[in-house]
Amino acid sequence: AQRVTQPEKLLSVFKGAPVELKCNYSYSGSPELFWYVQYSRQRLQLLLRHISRESIKGFTADLNKGETSFHLKKPFAQEEDSAMYYCALMNSGGYQKVTFGTGTKLQVIP
Amino acid sequence: SAVISQKPSRDICQRGTSLTIQCQVDSQVTMMFWYRQQPGQSLTLIATANQGSEATYESGFVIDKFPISRPNLTFSTLTVSNMSPEDSSIYLCSVRKGAGGGYTFGSGTRLTVV
Repeated sequence: AQRVTQPEKLLSVFKGAPVELKCNYSYSGSPELFWYVQYSRQRLQLLLRHISRESIKGFTADLNKGETSFHLKKPFAQEEDSAMYYCALMNSGGYQKVTFGTGTKLQVIP
Repeated sequence: SAVISQKPSRDICQRGTSLTIQCQVDSQVTMMFWYRQQPGQSLTLIATANQGSEATYESGFVIDKFPISRPNLTFSTLTVSNMSPEDSSIYLCSVRKGAGGGYTFGSGTRLTVV
């Protein structure tokens, strides 16, 4: 079974402080991992995915297979980063099921 | 990425009735996914809808309660049948445009059953 754990329901940081949103996963194969973001009153949207090794809006995430983690990081938080963040895992089998974590609400304090 | 139009955006329904949610994609996609997001919880996959075949339901979800149609490669509907207050939730459709891409989500349907 595949599982995604986001241990923090709420993370509050001051503007300019570093941000790390934690995500741990459980999956026996080689997963594909994503971070999704939902700003207030907007739809859920893809932030980044591990296979593309990209940096979006200053956020990065590195897949650590040894620790089965995919933490989302940003060196300097901005007020507009305040949102719900969901970590998601897609299995590598033929049936591509996506499992979402419970989400972390990031609150950036001005 | 694909653009998804989902409607209705919200509805308040009487218990025992049914609601059909529509999802229109601006391009052809093989699989469409339906999710539920209950208050304060994460997204849970209800079923995967392939064109031309029956939908594949996840554990805990059945076709009689959540019938799905997929008449073509750009459209799908999810019906929430015989509703009870426990069905109050946000329902979302999602697609993946090509391998290696992320999933695109509709804006969601906020359902309240009274």
